[in-house]
Amino acid sequence: GESVGLHLPTLSVQEGDNSIINCAYSNSASDYFIWYKQESGKGPQFIIDIRSNMDKRQGQRVTVLLNKTVKHLSLQIAATQPGDSAVYFCAENPQAAGNKLTFGGGTRVLVKP
Amino acid sequence: KAGVTQTPRYLIKTRGQQVTLSCSPISGHRSVSWYQQTPGQGLQFLFEYFSETQRNKGNFPGRFSGRQFSNSRSEMNVSTLELGDSALYLCASSLFGQGSETQYFGPGTRLLVL
Repeated sequence: GESVGLHLPTLSVQEGDNSIINCAYSNSASDYFIWYKQESGKGPQFIIDIRSNMDKRQGQRVTVLLNKTVKHLSLQIAATQPGDSAVYFCAENPQAAGNKLTFGGGTRVLVKP
Repeated sequence: KAGVTQTPRYLIKTRGQQVTLSCSPISGHRSVSWYQQTPGQGLQFLFEYFSETQRNKGNFPGRFSGRQFSNSRSEMNVSTLELGDSALYLCASSLFGQGSETQYFGPGTRLLVL
């Protein structure tokens, strides 16, 4: 079946540096993509989303880039802080599927002081 | 506005038993989805309910079922529990369950099957 995947299971980054988390997706029908952050003992927390008619969207310290040609999604975190340490998931929602998210495997981000 | 709440937060059951988990969506949200999270399989979609009707279903056996009430609160039930059902069960809600709506997750119910 089609799925969303991540390239790096663990990313170590120095505090203050920028982080980049990558994600590949295979469902060309996907219309909506989301990044979630999950801290230990908590449910996934929405970070930022992007629709397929866009290639870039910015939030507070975060930017999501979408490359539909190669089916690639990335999350950039600027000036990474200790509170950014968590597992990050990308997810896709195929067009007209209602709410039926397909999640990637997750990337753990460890921020070193 | 209160977030998605789930009860209980932790649960221990034995094989063969059944379990019912509860989810209260964000006020005004009418779509509720359930996901199972395990270290081996990651986050997997179970089902979605909207207006008391199951609208989408994932690839889980019939032992997994759910329902939604008129106030949008939802329950999921797992019958004849197996060891592999040990997982974090997450509930998410959104306004109308349209594909490009943000889904907000609750803290989850951690189920341990012995």
